[in-house]
Amino acid sequence: GENVEQHPSTLSVQEGDSAVIKCTYSDSASNYFPWYKQELGKRPQLIIDIRSNVGEKKDQRIAVTLNKTAKHFSLHITETQPEDSAVYFCAAPSTDSWGKLQFGAGTQVVVTP
Amino acid sequence: DGGITQSPKYLFRKEGQNVTLSCEQNLNHDAMYWYRQDPGQGLRLIYYSQIVNDFQKGDIAEGYSVSREKKESFPLTVTSAQKNPTAFYLCASSIGQSYGYTFGSGTRLTVV
Repeated sequence: GENVEQHPSTLSVQEGDSAVIKCTYSDSASNYFPWYKQELGKRPQLIIDIRSNVGEKKDQRIAVTLNKTAKHFSLHITETQPEDSAVYFCAAPSTDSWGKLQFGAGTQVVVTP
Repeated sequence: DGGITQSPKYLFRKEGQNVTLSCEQNLNHDAMYWYRQDPGQGLRLIYYSQIVNDFQKGDIAEGYSVSREKKESFPLTVTSAQKNPTAFYLCASSIGQSYGYTFGSGTRLTVV
């Protein structure tokens, strides 16, 4: 099945700086890579996703890049703000079951003013 | 809650008691999932269902049971066999392969 590794586990940044979270996956056939943001006590929410036919996707201050050769994808947050503080999860499709996502372990991002 | 509703928001279970968590979606999604999240931890898959009347065990199914009698509903029962059920339970649904999940707002279960 798919194996997703996520780094770092925690990330502290100063407000206004950039944050980068990286995930690696094991199955070269994987073709869809979503990112979720979970604020304390809340549900995870999809913030951006990318499919394997593109290398980069942007939405305002967030972007995701995909390197299919190296089998890794990254979340980039620019001009970080305190409201960006949350846990971020990456995911990739499980190859052993239709529709199932394999999640990374999560990254706790803390943005300090 | 974005088309997927979990109830109750908070639930208290006594020792030896079975409790059922509700999950209902009106997104017409085929696939539904139950995850458990412990404080400061990631998402662990309990059960999932790809179609009505069919479901599969996830990574931590012991002590839990589910049913999928309707497309819209995927209730989770936490049985007395689950010795440490205190956690945040999240239900999710998906349209299918290579699509993201929509999560419910979660149920926080506490053993008293």
